[in-house]
Amino acid sequence: DTGVSQDPRHKITKRGQNVTFRCDPISEHNRLYWYRQTLGQGPEFLTYFQNEAQLEKSRLLSDRFSAERPKGSFSTLEIQRTEQGDSAMYLCASGPSINSPLHFGNGTRLTVT
Amino acid sequence: SQQGEEDPQALSIQEGENATMNCSYKTSINNLQWYRQNSGRGLVHLILIRSNEREKHSGRLRVTLDTSKKSSSLLITASRAADTASYFCATDASSGTYKYIFGTGTRLKVLA
Repeated sequence: DTGVSQDPRHKITKRGQNVTFRCDPISEHNRLYWYRQTLGQGPEFLTYFQNEAQLEKSRLLSDRFSAERPKGSFSTLEIQRTEQGDSAMYLCASGPSINSPLHFGNGTRLTVT
Repeated sequence: SQQGEEDPQALSIQEGENATMNCSYKTSINNLQWYRQNSGRGLVHLILIRSNEREKHSGRLRVTLDTSKKSSSLLITASRAADTASYFCATDASSGTYKYIFGTGTRLKVLA
């Protein structure tokens, strides 16, 4: 069990640039979640997949955010035209099935200057 | 938006004491989970309790669930400095989507 892997660990970008993050879940897990966390707050749900199907996307997300999970394996989260308010920790988690614990990666910390 | 709210927001205790934190949520659930997060790291799963369970134990951890009050508590007994972390509850909505919504967290500090 190599755990959930996220890349990069840190990303600093200028306002207006696009960024893409990658998440590699535990291999046999078919459910994959993305969360955003700001300092002192709990993780905020963004979206989740079952295999390659994106089942739900938070209404809080603008159209600047998109996520994919081709072939039901790794996932990418892209933020277009970044804003300073996008600065946060982006967390990925995976799980083998419904009603199962989530396994989290260590996150990608995004700083938008 | 947050489904759960933890109470207290922060807790400071001496090593060896017990720590209790509470979670309240808004909608019916299938299960409730507790997670720990050390600073700058991802979350680590502690316990999952299903809606038809009332109490669950794991080592020094004890979780209770009261679905009539829509609340849960996490008790850490004989706390250690290594227990210093933030603790979050997470609930799914029993609508069948199984997305997990996290609370605002309790920041626990255990003093040696």
